[in-house]
Amino acid sequence: DAGVIQSPRHEVTEMGQEVTLRCKPISGHNSLFWYRQTMMRGLELLIYFNNNVPIDDSGMPEDRFSAKMPNASFSTLKIQPSEPRDSAVYFCASSSTGAGADTQYFGPGTRLTVL
Amino acid sequence: AQSVTQLGSHVSVSEGALVLLRCNYSSSVPPYLFWYVQYPNQGLQLLLKYTSAATLVKGINGFEAEFKKSETSFHLTKPSAHMSDAAEYFCAVSVNSGYSTLTFGKGTMLLVSP
Repeated sequence: DAGVIQSPRHEVTEMGQEVTLRCKPISGHNSLFWYRQTMMRGLELLIYFNNNVPIDDSGMPEDRFSAKMPNASFSTLKIQPSEPRDSAVYFCASSSTGAGADTQYFGPGTRLTVL
Repeated sequence: AQSVTQLGSHVSVSEGALVLLRCNYSSSVPPYLFWYVQYPNQGLQLLLKYTSAATLVKGINGFEAEFKKSETSFHLTKPSAHMSDAAEYFCAVSVNSGYSTLTFGKGTMLLVSP
């Protein structure tokens, strides 16, 4: 079985540019999570979708960040405009139902560097 | 709201020694508890989870953890460390309350020396 797929794996961009990160969850999973990992703040949940609907976006840092899930097999996280402090590893994860006991399966991450 | 505290950002052991990684949680309702492992430049992988069945949970790669409600702890152990265990380990908590999300600890880096 294919796991969670993220692209690109690495992204280097300049401040002010738009960045789009992509995620394909595990087939059949109906919950999708976007996380950001930094040395200073650890793993932070940015947004959580269930059945393609955003349930909790309280972790999205500011209006420069937006996320969409147009269908069950695809999600994007967009940063516009990007800033150096957005440099981090961004993970996508999916789970089968979103219930508390469910295992979340993580993708390999996208390492974003904003110069 | 729930939270997790992992004691020690780094733990060093010798190969063959006992591994003990500490995790304490805070939750106003019965929790679900997880340990994930992250190898360099990879995503997180589930080691084991506690979902209110047996309090001693066995996971992959010889790891196990014991849920102790009285101590609000879920420490991770392995009797004998292997070089391949060197990685970062994350404890996480969620609850059974409608839609629930994971709250992660800061992580503990396990260093294994020969």
